[in-house]
Amino acid sequence: DGGITQSPKYLFRKEGQNVTLSCEQNLNHDAMYWYRQDPGQGLRLIYYSQIVNDFQKGDIAEGYSVSREKKESFPLTVTSAQKNPTAFYLCASSIRSIRDPWGTEAFFGQGTRLTVV
Amino acid sequence: DAKTTQPPSMDCAEGRAANLPCNHSTISGNEYVYWYRQIHSQGPQYIIHGLKNNETNEMASLIITEDRKSSTLILPHATLRDTAVYYCIVYNQGGKLIFGQGTELSVKP
Repeated sequence: DGGITQSPKYLFRKEGQNVTLSCEQNLNHDAMYWYRQDPGQGLRLIYYSQIVNDFQKGDIAEGYSVSREKKESFPLTVTSAQKNPTAFYLCASSIRSIRDPWGTEAFFGQGTRLTVV
Repeated sequence: DAKTTQPPSMDCAEGRAANLPCNHSTISGNEYVYWYRQIHSQGPQYIIHGLKNNETNEMASLIITEDRKSSTLILPHATLRDTAVYYCIVYNQGGKLIFGQGTELSVKP
């Protein structure tokens, strides 16, 4: 089945450690996104990538890093510089189409809940 | 910044139509309006999108005003499973998909 997979679902880390969240899609989508969601809040864009080997900062990129070496993978590293890393992290992907040239519906993974202690 | 404004919460009786408004007064001519919903602690789910014509699919209808400054998502017969946070999004030409705070819809028996 095609889809977008985030792993792990729950992640615990000690303060000061870097941690990498996985996001893989087999939908052949060009664009991929990382969002952060805090309790009772909406989604905030961290990074996004429109094509392999290219990515742009979103609204809250400080303390995070990404790579896009393969079309199907867009891992997010939460570094020790991120002051409040505990949050729910969501990855999404979308494809451009003739019908919808600015990108079409985005498919989301089920999220990774990161807790830093 | 999000380019949309939505009421923070709404209630709807089960079986009735749920009409969720969204204001996007600064929308550009070729920007699409998208609607997603998020059930607690899950990834958001795509519902529908449109440019200027009204749209309908198996989940909902989207009504966009003629000046495109606002839209309404209609769930024709709301069920308890439609309780969720609904996000209205204007797709940015630069590739950003920016979510606002959304509307928390509570469908009550």
